[in-house]
Amino acid sequence: QVTLKESGPALVKPTQTLTLTCTFSGFSLTTNGMRVSWIRQPPGRALEWLARIDWDEDKYYNTSLKTRLTISRDTSKNQVVLRMTNMRAVDTATYYCARGRSYPLEDVFDVWGQGTMVTVSS
Amino acid sequence: DIVMTQSPDSLAVSLGERATITCKSSQSLLYSSNNKNYLAWYQQKPGQPPKLLIYWASTREFGVPDRFSGSGSGTDFTLTISSLQAEDVAAYYCQQYHNKPPTFGQGTKLEIK
Repeated sequence: QVTLKESGPALVKPTQTLTLTCTFSGFSLTTNGMRVSWIRQPPGRALEWLARIDWDEDKYYNTSLKTRLTISRDTSKNQVVLRMTNMRAVDTATYYCARGRSYPLEDVFDVWGQGTMVTVSS
Repeated sequence: DIVMTQSPDSLAVSLGERATITCKSSQSLLYSSNNKNYLAWYQQKPGQPPKLLIYWASTREFGVPDRFSGSGSGTDFTLTISSLQAEDVAAYYCQQYHNKPPTFGQGTKLEIK
């Protein structure tokens, strides 16, 4: 059974850096074709894809947020980490990690974590 | 980025009746090399993460009831629920994966009339 779970701070201050961890099971990110994305959803609003890391360590970022995002992985712990710098109030959202399928469905998300709510406030 | 626009923003349908949600993309999602439309639909119930319903515009994910169907090609797509059940109350999102970054529609909130 494939599962993903997000963890991180519920509250961050403006200008701080957010670090979120996605811990997954049921697959290995070293297996050909495996990939994990981060997606966020502000309260009452639509979903926004943020970043993706693949089994071969290729990384992709939302172009509008690229300068603020870093995605990385720890294959020994089955974890994917997302860092977002210079947090602002508009970054308040539920942050999800999700598994992408094998090519050409790499950006179709078939298993999602429950999400973690992050509020940016002083 | 490809802009995805859904209509309506909200919809109220009686139990057992048909529900139809449309999604338009700012550019074609049809890949000529494989004749596939790079469009997915998700269902999100309150307090839950999205759930994949359909990909390739019309292929149901394993375990999704056959009352859910997707259609369309190019820039115009439709999600249809043939006979609305109480458990279908949710927000529905279309998503394109033709170009990076993948982008989502703004969502359609489906309620019982």
